[in-house]
Amino acid sequence: AQSVAQPEDQVNVAEGNPLTVKCTYSVSGNPYLFWYVQYPNRGLQFLLKYITGDNLVKGSYGFEAEFNKSQTSFHLKKPSALVSDSALYFCAVREYGGSQGNLIFGKGTKLSVKP
Amino acid sequence: DAGVIQSPRHEVTEMGQEVTLRCKPISGHDYLFWYRQTMMRGLELLIYFNNNVPIDDSGMPEDRFSAKMPNASFSTLKIQPSEPRDSAVYFCASSTWETQYFGPGTRLLVL
Repeated sequence: AQSVAQPEDQVNVAEGNPLTVKCTYSVSGNPYLFWYVQYPNRGLQFLLKYITGDNLVKGSYGFEAEFNKSQTSFHLKKPSALVSDSALYFCAVREYGGSQGNLIFGKGTKLSVKP
Repeated sequence: DAGVIQSPRHEVTEMGQEVTLRCKPISGHDYLFWYRQTMMRGLELLIYFNNNVPIDDSGMPEDRFSAKMPNASFSTLKIQPSEPRDSAVYFCASSTWETQYFGPGTRLLVL
């Protein structure tokens, strides 16, 4: 069965410092991996995805994520955090070639960036 | 493109009333999803369609919930009768074969 874990409910970072939001996954085959961001009272907004190819994926707003197959991880990173990055971040996974309806979301990690 | 459009954005109703949520997917997308988000349960997939045909409705909580997609540009999620435990944010999303794009959601409060 597929699963995704975001081990931290909340991450606190000072503005200008690097940030990491962690995600680990479990699928029986190769994964499709996604990161979404949700600002207060808004829908989920697509940030980036890994399908195949380069393990380092770059996305919107300066975010990037690294696919690590051996550690089954897909951590979200940004070199320098902004206060405006404060939001709820969701990791999602489904099996390569699997059903669209089998996209599994993590519980979310609240990122708080302080000035 | 305007993205996924949902209406209404907010709905307050009384227990027992019928509630209809509406969604217009991104043009050209052939998948449409309905999700529900609550603090307790997170994001739950209720039902999804492919080419206007329901593919999996196993996430629909009860017979009080129904969804339709009469054409490629419109879908509804109906709750009849509504109950206080249905209070949540309901999201519609659409996709081609890879990435799902979400609407802004409908915040439903059932009193």
